Amino acid sequence: AAGVIQSPRHLIKEKRETATLKCYPIPRHDTVYWYQQGPGQDPQFLISFYEKMQSDKGSIPDRFSAQQFSDYHSELNMSSLELGDSALYFCASSLQGGEAFFGQGTRLTVV
Amino acid sequence: AQSVAQPEDQVNVAEGNPLTVKCTYSVSGNPYLFWYVQYPNRGLQFLLKYITGDNLVKGSYGFEAEFNKSQTSFHLKKPSALVSDSALYFCAVRDMAGGSYIPTFGRGTSLIVHP
Repeated sequence: AAGVIQSPRHLIKEKRETATLKCYPIPRHDTVYWYQQGPGQDPQFLISFYEKMQSDKGSIPDRFSAQQFSDYHSELNMSSLELGDSALYFCASSLQGGEAFFGQGTRLTVV
Repeated sequence: AQSVAQPEDQVNVAEGNPLTVKCTYSVSGNPYLFWYVQYPNRGLQFLLKYITGDNLVKGSYGFEAEFNKSQTSFHLKKPSALVSDSALYFCAVRDMAGGSYIPTFGRGTSLIVHP
């Protein structure tokens, strides 16, 4: 069965650079979530989209933005990167109200 | 507001013994509860969920969880642990009464199964 696809799997950026993370949800899922997981931390909700519209916003910094496109894929754009942004970034998708299925994550390292 | 507590950072169990990973929750309305497992450098894998119905929910890989409304708990259990069960386990909750569909995760419990 198709799963949530995230790219890239690994990304190394320097401070103050920008990064774009991509997420391709499971076909026919209408909701996409982005989570950030720091080392030894639980996943922290950043932002979600339902039918291409932002539906909820969590602890997403102002330096970050996200959108969902007409083909339902989503991108998380991160600017002015800081060392503290180094984390595993997960995308998940679901049918609204259903359980979320997670991608493998993108490991972002800011140096 | 919804929240989840996993009181144990780590659970150690011998292979073949039963295991329990604890989770308690807090919601305004009725809970929608999940367990996920995470292997190193991997995404979270869905194990099981409780919405309504039987308090004992069976999931993947022989895991089950028991919903206890009076104790607001949703402990994860397995009758006989395997070394390969060693991983990080996350409990999550969503408030069915809320307008948000976002699950809130606990801090995770590291399960270590010794041979």
